[in-house]
Order: sequence, then C-alpha cells, then structure tokens
Amino acid sequence: EAGVTQFPSHSVIEKGQTVTLRCDPISGHDNLYWYRRVMGKEIKFLLHFVKESKQDESGMPNNRFLAERTGGTYSTLKVQPAELEDSGVYFCASSQEGQGTDTQYFGPGTRLTVL
Amino acid sequence: QKEVEQNSGPLSVPEGAIASLNCTYSDRGSQSFFWYRQYSGKSPELIMFIYSNGDKEDGRFTAQLNKASQYVSLLIRDSQPSDSATYLCAVLGSEISGGYNKLIFGAGTRLAVHP
Repeated sequence: EAGVTQFPSHSVIEKGQTVTLRCDPISGHDNLYWYRRVMGKEIKFLLHFVKESKQDESGMPNNRFLAERTGGTYSTLKVQPAELEDSGVYFCASSQEGQGTDTQYFGPGTRLTVL
Repeated sequence: QKEVEQNSGPLSVPEGAIASLNCTYSDRGSQSFFWYRQYSGKSPELIMFIYSNGDKEDGRFTAQLNKASQYVSLLIRDSQPSDSATYLCAVLGSEISGGYNKLIFGAGTRLAVHP
C-alpha cells in the first residue's frame, strides 16, 4: 500500500510569489492533516480535513494560506503571496475515519524556501 | 511553558544499552500519546502509541504513560546504531488545547547510538 505522498519535495521561490503544495493521502483515509515545521521549532498543526470539509483550521497562520481538498481525495495548500517566515517543511498526514485516536501517517514533506 | 516538552539532547548511548527518552505534557485532557522517529530529512515514522497508564511493549520498544504526572517515556532496549535519529513525542489535543484531532509535538530528542 502506498503511503502519503507529497509534491514537490523542494520548492524555492522569491518573496511575493505563489506556491502550491500537494498531498495525496493513503487511499481510503478520510482524515487529512497539514503540519509545518519552521527552522528550530516544533512541528505545528495547520489544519484538518474530514473528506472534503475543513474540520479544524485553527493552526492556519493567516489568510495568505489556502487549503483545499476537492472531492475528498488529494489536498493542496497554496501560499499567496509567500513571505520569508513561511520557509520550513510542510508535512501532510492522513488517518482513517474515527475521532482523534487514529494513527496519523506522515508524508515525506515539502521543504519550502522563500528568498 | 511549552505544551509538550522534551530534552533536545543529544542523548548518547553505547550499542546494546537501554536508551530512555522522556516527555512531559501540559494538557490534562489528552488521552492519546505517540512516539515518532525521524531520520534527518525524512518523514516522522510512528514507533509506538499508548492510551492507558502503564507500560506497553513492542519488540525492543516500551512506552510508559503516567497521566497523573503528565509524563510519557520511551525505552529502547539493545540500542543499535540504526536507532540513531530524532524521537518526537506527540500528544493528541483535547478540548482544553483546542482540538481533538491535532497532534501537538515536542521539539524532539536526538539519540546517538555509538558502536
């Protein structure tokens, strides 16, 4: 069974540009999560989808970040316009249906560098 | 006070020894606890999860949970050089911390197992 996949693995953009990250969860997993790790900090929660609905977006830093999961399959996270402090590793995770106790499986992450 | 605290290390142990990794958390409502292993540049990989007070063993790994003391630990017996990685303690949030589905991570402890 394929794990969580993310694309691209690396992205280098200039401040003010737009970047879109993609996550494909494990097949059959209704729950999809986005996390971020900025330099020297802990991995932090961004948001949680259940199928195509946003269940919790309390971790989204500001309105420059937009996450979508049309059709309840893959998800995209768009940053527009990117700022220097957005640099970090963006992880996606997925889990099966359930409430919270289900194990979250992580993808390899996208390393975003904003210059 | 951080929500999940870990000693950053590095924790250096000789091959064959027991490595003891510790974690404390602040959310008294948390019920689910996870240990992830992360090799440099890779995704977090689930090692153990524990929900009940006491010990849970899986091969060379034992997770210990004490909810009264808000303390979680991971013991690695017969440590191998391949165990050298960063170990992340993660706690599933509760209503107190603002959400049941998000994982709250510690900064991780670097473990180095030397031959």
